[in-house]
Amino acid sequence: GENVEQHPSTLSVQEGDSAVIKCTYSDSASNYFPWYKQELGKRPQLIIDIRSNVGEKKDQRIAVTLNKTAKHFSLHITETQPEDSAVYFCAAIGYNFNKFYFGSGTKLNVKP
Amino acid sequence: EPEVTQTPSHQVTQMGQEVILRCVPISNHLYFYWYRQILGQKVEFLVSFYNNEISEKSEIFDDQFSVERPDGSNFTLKIRSTKLEDSAMYFCASPLAGGLNTGELFFGEGSRLTVL
Repeated sequence: GENVEQHPSTLSVQEGDSAVIKCTYSDSASNYFPWYKQELGKRPQLIIDIRSNVGEKKDQRIAVTLNKTAKHFSLHITETQPEDSAVYFCAAIGYNFNKFYFGSGTKLNVKP
Repeated sequence: EPEVTQTPSHQVTQMGQEVILRCVPISNHLYFYWYRQILGQKVEFLVSFYNNEISEKSEIFDDQFSVERPDGSNFTLKIRSTKLEDSAMYFCASPLAGGLNTGELFFGEGSRLTVL
């Protein structure tokens, strides 16, 4: 099956700085890569996703890049704000499109 | 916003007891999922359910677990004899579109299970 590795496990940045979270995957057949944000005690919520037919996607302060050759994808948050503080999970859809494989999560702390 | 409703929000049980967690997924959708998240850890796949049958299950989903769709709408996860290590948040999830490769997986608010 798919194996998704995520790092760093924790990330602390100053408000206004950028944050980058990286994930790698193992199955070259994976073609959909969502990112979820989970606030404390809440459910994971989709913030951005990318499909394997594009290399980059941007939505305001959030962007995701995908390198299919290297099998890695990254989340970029610019101009971070305290409300960006949360745990972020990357995921990849398996070859049979039947489930998501989640990374281990990155706890982002944005200091005011 | 779509609705995936889970009950109970929190359940405390004694080790060895049976627990049933309930989910009402997005209506008219055929795919449903259960995921588990032990406190501070990642979201782990338990089981997928398609068209009233288990489609795939993980190694976590052993004989102590079962899923049913008893009345065509509610979707239940049963743990027959709970263990301490079953303490976790259990999320029901449903794709917004027909299948996972077409769109977002929408999570319910979760059911926190505490086994004493």
